[in-house]
Amino acid sequence: GAGVSQSPSNKVTEKGKDVELRCDPISGHTALYWYRQSLGQGLEFLIYFQGNSAPDKSGLPSDRFSAERTGGSVSTLTIQRTQQEDSAVYLCASSWGRGTDTQYFGPGTRLTVL
Amino acid sequence: QKEVEQNSGPLSVPEGAIASLNCTYSDRGSQSFFWYRQYSGKSPELIMSIYSNGDKEDGRFTAQLNKASQYVSLLIRDSQPSDSATYLCAVITSGTYKYIFGTGTRLKVLA
Repeated sequence: GAGVSQSPSNKVTEKGKDVELRCDPISGHTALYWYRQSLGQGLEFLIYFQGNSAPDKSGLPSDRFSAERTGGSVSTLTIQRTQQEDSAVYLCASSWGRGTDTQYFGPGTRLTVL
Repeated sequence: QKEVEQNSGPLSVPEGAIASLNCTYSDRGSQSFFWYRQYSGKSPELIMSIYSNGDKEDGRFTAQLNKASQYVSLLIRDSQPSDSATYLCAVITSGTYKYIFGTGTRLKVLA
């Protein structure tokens, strides 16, 4: 079946602009995760959804970052007033939502803030 | 102390050798453990999951879990140059569905 998809694959924006990143999880997966990975660095957890609710937003770096999930499916990560330090690859992953489940990752969105 | 720790490497092994990757974690109640492989410029892909103490084998890969010592390892037998990648250890912390990732170990298999 189809895997996790993300769009756009690449996004170049100017400092101060808002951006929206989209994630389509695997059909039926109730859990959805957003991560950020800067060049040569590990995965930084941003937020986790179970269904449409976000029990853990602890990783969001600032109030410029927000995310929502609708219909228990698609999720959008929004970054307002982008800064150069926001440049990174943003990865989305999904799982069945049980504590033992494997996460499957999307291909990521590479964000570059000029 | 970081919740999941890995040696960043690079770990260099000759082709055909056994590569041993290690990971320690701090939450004693953790129940689920995963190894992901990430090629440069790509997203992580699952290699192995392990939930019980002991060894779990899948082809050339063996995951080892020791909950008493709070470590999980990945052995790659007959290493190939195509195994050169960063290997990420992930742990699901107790009471949550949150995955905690280590920073990864970069493996280089030399032809």
